[in-house]
Amino acid sequence: QVQLQESGPGLVKPSETLSLTCAVSGYSISSGYYWGWIRQPPGKGLEWIGSIYHSGSTYYNPSLKSRVTISVDTSKNQFSLKLSSVTAADTAVYYCARVRDYFDYWGQGTLVTVSS
Amino acid sequence: QSALTQPASVSGSPGQSITISCTGTSSDVGSYNLVSWYQQHPGKAPKLMIYEGSKRPSGVSNRFSGSKSGNTASLTISGLQAEDEADYYCCSYAGSSHWVFGGGTKLTVL
Repeated sequence: QVQLQESGPGLVKPSETLSLTCAVSGYSISSGYYWGWIRQPPGKGLEWIGSIYHSGSTYYNPSLKSRVTISVDTSKNQFSLKLSSVTAADTAVYYCARVRDYFDYWGQGTLVTVSS
Repeated sequence: QSALTQPASVSGSPGQSITISCTGTSSDVGSYNLVSWYQQHPGKAPKLMIYEGSKRPSGVSNRFSGSKSGNTASLTISGLQAEDEADYYCCSYAGSSHWVFGGGTKLTVL
């Protein structure tokens, strides 16, 4: 069974960089598929942040592209998200997921609050 | 890329059928048969219910069905049950490995 688990700080100061990691078990990232990040502000809808292929090719939501970096570490079977220059508008539950022609496996999500 | 348009809320009584629409553009929903639907209960991660427009993952009830016409996709839930009360999100491939979600629809089972 494929499982994903997000980890990282739950509180980030404004203007700083949000960093999260998604550990994957039950499937080797290097075997294929894309891996993605999705976020959900409190009480609001889902927003695709970006995806990475196992080879390292990245694809970002145009609205966030200037601030987002997604990377993969196949040796640790995990991938990561960095979002720079955060503001209160970046407060959200952040999910990682496996991407096929749909998002089939999701992590449980982690709440990141941007506040001083 | 703009979010897909869904009704904010729908409701139905147990046993009835409801349909949730998801309207996009010719650049996403209208161009690809890659619309998926997700069910989200409060405090939980989204769960895949329909993929590639009308296919159901193993374990998902056949009460859930999907379809598409032009730039609009639809999710139909028949034989409504109390456990179906949740938020539902559509998602479409938008080309170049990009994805776009709908704003979500809150389903209330009366």
